[in-house]
Amino acid sequence: NAGVTQTPKFQVLKTGQSMTLQCAQDMNHEYMSWYRQDPGMGLRLIHYSVGAGITDQGEVPNGYNVSRSTTEDFPLRLLSAAPSQTSVYFCASSFELAGGPGEQFFGPGTRLTVL
Amino acid sequence: RKEVEQDPGPFNVPEGATVAFNCTYSNSASQSFFWYRQDCRKEPKLLMSVYSSGNEDGRFTAQLNRASQYISLLIRDSKLSDSATYLCVVSFRRSSASKIIFGSGTRLSIRP
Repeated sequence: NAGVTQTPKFQVLKTGQSMTLQCAQDMNHEYMSWYRQDPGMGLRLIHYSVGAGITDQGEVPNGYNVSRSTTEDFPLRLLSAAPSQTSVYFCASSFELAGGPGEQFFGPGTRLTVL
Repeated sequence: RKEVEQDPGPFNVPEGATVAFNCTYSNSASQSFFWYRQDCRKEPKLLMSVYSSGNEDGRFTAQLNRASQYISLLIRDSKLSDSATYLCVVSFRRSSASKIIFGSGTRLSIRP
């Protein structure tokens, strides 16, 4: 199993550009999520999904869109990049247990710089 | 109030010391609890799940106190390689929404 994969690993954008960060998992996990982590800070939840066709907002959703058309893929779209979106973005997935999401498996992250 | 709160540290302790972290959570409906470890600029990785009866994995012991809504992690005989940020994680289902919440992390630095 490849686990959780993210592409690209690094990206530099100019203010106003749009792009999509890719995330895929091959573990048949129902729950997938996107986090951003700024230097010296904790993880902040952007969006999450409990299954194909179902998405919901996290703590910091503004400026980002997601969709979940398949179980495997959960892309994150930056609509109009801003310098404040410079961060490391992590995608994670897990099984959905009776009491909530289980152990989270993380991708290696995408390091995004917006100039 | 944050849903999961941790002392950010940093904790700076000598090699061989015992160190303990606490974490408090606000949602009494929380069902699953974890400790993760994150090395600088890397993705978080599961250190251990936390069970109601408490559990141990080598030098690491995790405890859960549901009545007081806190989780603890004890590291015995600390090694230089234990230097990292430790994240407390709580998972719950509220109505039809399920969520997993990460604490901001506690930084640990082990000195020779």
